[in-house]
Amino acid sequence: GAVVSQHPSRVICKSGTSVKIECRSLDFQATTMFWYRQFPKKSLMLMATSNEGSKATYEQGVEKDKFLINHASLTLSTLTVTSAHPEDSSFYICSASETSGYYEQYFGPGTRLTVT
Amino acid sequence: KNQVEQSPQSLIILEGKNCTLQCNYTVSPFSNLRWYKQDTGRGPVSLTIMTFSENTKSNGRYTATLDADTKQSSLHITASQLSDSASYICVVSPYGGATNKLIFGTGTLLAVQP
Repeated sequence: GAVVSQHPSRVICKSGTSVKIECRSLDFQATTMFWYRQFPKKSLMLMATSNEGSKATYEQGVEKDKFLINHASLTLSTLTVTSAHPEDSSFYICSASETSGYYEQYFGPGTRLTVT
Repeated sequence: KNQVEQSPQSLIILEGKNCTLQCNYTVSPFSNLRWYKQDTGRGPVSLTIMTFSENTKSNGRYTATLDADTKQSSLHITASQLSDSASYICVVSPYGGATNKLIFGTGTLLAVQP
């Protein structure tokens, strides 16, 4: 149980375009979903926290207009990187929690974004 | 200063050997400490979760220990296999408040060679 999927697993896009990444909880209802970014050989960095039906809470330094997060249902959250630039190239990982909080998070397999 | 420090940064061992990875943290108070395994290009997978009152937790060939007094944890891998090659991340969850964010260590990159 507690499986989280992400789609796509890899995406290459051109600079200036937008790309959407989906995060789904397959066998449980995720009250809270989290989006992380990970650069090579670095720790996961929390970008934002989203609760179903409400606006996402962004971490300091993360542009909410650039990284649009939608958590429309208890099993799906999406991250849209708008007007992507090469420096947005990174590994994006989502996680999901059944409870409102950070206690037990189940991580997705990640999405590798490359902006050319 | 990173609140969760791991050592060594990287480690190479031969298949079948044991190894121990270290985690020192300054997060206080904390709710739980976790060890994750992250394969290259994949998301983290939970190995163990220990509350502040637990001293040890095992999951197959993985055994985690916790000393809340010295704020140290270790992950011991027994009889290593090639598939153990991955990054191992120590994660601390602070206690209390509305912003209990997971605090990630920088990881130890383990390479198991035949």
